Amino acid sequence: GIQVEQSPPDLILQEGANSTLRCNFSDSVNNLQWFHQNPWGQLINLFYIPSGTKQNGRLSATTVATERYSLLYISSSQTTDSGVYFCAVVRDDKIIFGKGTRLHILP
Amino acid sequence: GAGVSQSPSNKVTEKGKDVELRCDPISGHTALYWYRQSLGQGLEFLIYFQGNSAPDKSGLPSDRFSAERTGGSVSTLTIQRTQQEDSAVYLCASSSEGLLGYGYTFGSGTRLTVV
Repeated sequence: GIQVEQSPPDLILQEGANSTLRCNFSDSVNNLQWFHQNPWGQLINLFYIPSGTKQNGRLSATTVATERYSLLYISSSQTTDSGVYFCAVVRDDKIIFGKGTRLHILP
Repeated sequence: GAGVSQSPSNKVTEKGKDVELRCDPISGHTALYWYRQSLGQGLEFLIYFQGNSAPDKSGLPSDRFSAERTGGSVSTLTIQRTQQEDSAVYLCASSSEGLLGYGYTFGSGTRLTVV
């Protein structure tokens, strides 16, 4: 089946820093979405982005479907950005999540 | 409702007992999804419903797991003869479109502990 790999697995940054999270997938996909799971476990939908670029405040995402990757950019990070960032793709009527990038922002 | 509601929020059960987990999606959302998240792990996709129909049940971990949805609204995930490896957080999500999309919203989950 399709493989979804996220990198880096862990990231520790100082408040104010910028970061780039990557999601690679091994085959063509129908859809792609980024989620944030906060330290209390709640999952929040960030971007639905099967292709192209979107921005929402300090966050933006780009998916290059032909090259099978997506990037999530976080600028001027804040402690509230801490948590795990997951990308998820759709293939053959199933949703496959990557293992996530655990981000820890230090005050 | 305003969000996806799951109940109970916590469930402790003895090995071998049956449990029922409930998900009440956002009003008007036609698609509903069940996931399992073990401690410190990613999300395992279990099943999704479009209306009352589940096109593919192959993601359910074993035949002890079943799910149904009635009236295009509430869904129940049932685990029979629970085992310790079933301990996890079970998450439900809903959306107005199928298989990811705008408005995709997760519930807070049911933490299941099998002792």
